[in-house]
Parts: sequence; C-alpha cells; structure tokens
Amino acid sequence: DVKVTQSSRYLVKRTGEKVFLECVQDMDHENMFWYRQDPGLGLRLIYFSYDVKMKEKGDIPEGYSVSREKKERFSLILESASTNQTSMYLCASSFRGFNEQYFGPGTRLTVT
Amino acid sequence: AQTVTQSQPEMSVQEAETVTLSCTYDTSESNYYLFWYKQPPSRQMILVIRQEAYKQQNATENRFSVNFQKAAKSFSLKISDSQLGDTAMYFCAFMSPKINTGANSKLTFGKGITLSVRP
Repeated sequence: DVKVTQSSRYLVKRTGEKVFLECVQDMDHENMFWYRQDPGLGLRLIYFSYDVKMKEKGDIPEGYSVSREKKERFSLILESASTNQTSMYLCASSFRGFNEQYFGPGTRLTVT
Repeated sequence: AQTVTQSQPEMSVQEAETVTLSCTYDTSESNYYLFWYKQPPSRQMILVIRQEAYKQQNATENRFSVNFQKAAKSFSLKISDSQLGDTAMYFCAFMSPKINTGANSKLTFGKGITLSVRP
C-alpha cells in the first residue's frame, strides 16, 4: 500500500514564526503536491514538484515556499506565519503521468 | 483555465438508497481525466473512481458509477445501496494532461459536497 505521511496532525504556531510541514512518501513517486483545504473553497494547490529539486507554483503560492532535496520528501515552509494561513494542509504524491494522487492525513495548522 | 463546479454543498440519503452527486467542469481540451475523491471525517482522502475522457463507457467500481456526459461537461457520481461508511466529503477533480511539461499530473478540484448517510 502507498503510504504518504505528514509530520504532524495538529500544529499551533504564533504569528511571525517560521513553520515547516514535512511530507514523506514511500512509493518512489516522482510528483509531490501541497494543497490547502478550507471550508467552502475545496482544495487549492500551493506548490508541486515533479522531480528532486524541481518545483512549480500552484494557484496560491504567496507566503509559502517548498523544498525537495530527496525524492521521498517534500517540505512546505511558511517563512513568517500569519493568521490567514490557518488551514488544513494536505500533501499528495503520484507517479509521473496521468495517475491518481495519494494523499496524506493532513496537518491542521492554527496560527495565533 | 479549467474550472470544476460542485453546486450542492450538502446532501443526505437514507441507508440502502441511491444518491447522485453532480459535477460540471469547463475546459477547451478534448483529452482529459476526471476523478471523484472521498474524504471521510478525520481520515485520508482516497480515490473513488476515475474516467478517461476518450472512453465512452462510464466507469464503475462496485457500488460507485459515473454518468459522464462529455458534450454537456458533466460528471456525476452515483452511489448505490448507500452505506453508513459512505458518509464523507466528496470532491470532483479534473486533470488536463500537458505533455512535455512537469505539470502533467495537476488536479483541479471542486469545492466538495458533504454527504450524510442516515441510518
């Protein structure tokens, strides 16, 4: 079974803190994705990566950056957390091509 | 840009009955893929069913089937014999293959619909 894990299920941070969200997949997938999920807005793509050290902006990249130094790991970074970044963050991975994405359990981040 | 619309935010169905969740999308492309994902309460999102636009036959997975109307750009999900475990949020998603770019697996999601199955 494909496994996508995220470093924390719940996280509380203060405004201005630097926040790291980690995602690890064990299926040798080329693609990895970070989404944010908000009520009434569905899932919105923040960033994705189709290879090690490669990244592309999604629909809402402002205020976020990413890092992919190893194939199995994709990190989302909030350089200076703000209250409007309070949300559920979902990581996903897939093989290259027109394939389904496998999702992690999500990290519910609260910024106070 | 592609858009995916799920106009019903919530639905409710009696256990053992059939329910249909609607989804429409907008694209100018002729080849693409459509998905329904399920997100149970406090659990991971999983794929329910997938449809390739070039296939005329509607996809089926056990109690789940789709009604794919390409001309109308409609992709509804039918759940037969609803079970309590079907209670979840359901997302419709669109994938547009972009050959020769790294973006060939991007998904565009609808806003989701919350389905409640009543005992």
